[in-house]
Amino acid sequence: GQQVMQIPQYQHVQEGEDFTTYCNSSTTLSNIQWYKQRPGGHPVFLIQLVKSGEVKKQKRLTFQFGEAKKNSSLHITATQTTDVGTYFCAGRQTSGSRLTFGEGTQLTVNP
Amino acid sequence: EAGVAQSPRYKIIEKRQSVAFWCNPISGHATLYWYQQILGQGPKLLIQFQNNGVVDDSQLPKDRFSAERLKGVDSTLKIQPAKLEDSAVYLCASSLARTSGSHGELFFGEGSRLTVL
Repeated sequence: GQQVMQIPQYQHVQEGEDFTTYCNSSTTLSNIQWYKQRPGGHPVFLIQLVKSGEVKKQKRLTFQFGEAKKNSSLHITATQTTDVGTYFCAGRQTSGSRLTFGEGTQLTVNP
Repeated sequence: EAGVAQSPRYKIIEKRQSVAFWCNPISGHATLYWYQQILGQGPKLLIQFQNNGVVDDSQLPKDRFSAERLKGVDSTLKIQPAKLEDSAVYLCASSLARTSGSHGELFFGEGSRLTVL
């Protein structure tokens, strides 16, 4: 079955440093979504990428979808304490509708 | 706009007992999902409904888990009998997607945290 892998599992940064999490799928994806889950909270949708090579920005967050539509990344510039949480990618296969989540990258930001 | 409602928020049971979780999706959302999230892991899809029909239940342990979405609105997830490894947060989500192949963001509820002793 489809597997979605994320690295790193944990990332500790000083406030103001940059952060990147990477997502890789074992199969080609029709689209990929990113979610953020705060400690004790539920996943909240951030963005969806559909096109090969697509790049989208939301303020300090930059999302990329690979040319082969099998990998993606989320980059945060100049992290803030409000960025703390676990970031999940979730990929949807080209042949089905199931959205498969990665294991997430837990980000902690030291003030 | 009201979000996805789930109850109960917390439940503690002993192994071999049964439990049921309820979910009311956002009004008008055709697709409803139940995910299981074990501590430190990503959400794992248990079952996906399109209106009141099942789209994907391939990862649902059908010997102990069951789910229904009567009338295509709210849904119930049941576990009977529960095992220790069922301890997790059960997340309900809904999306506007009106066909099984269409794409859309998921709106999650607060989740139901189950502890099996």
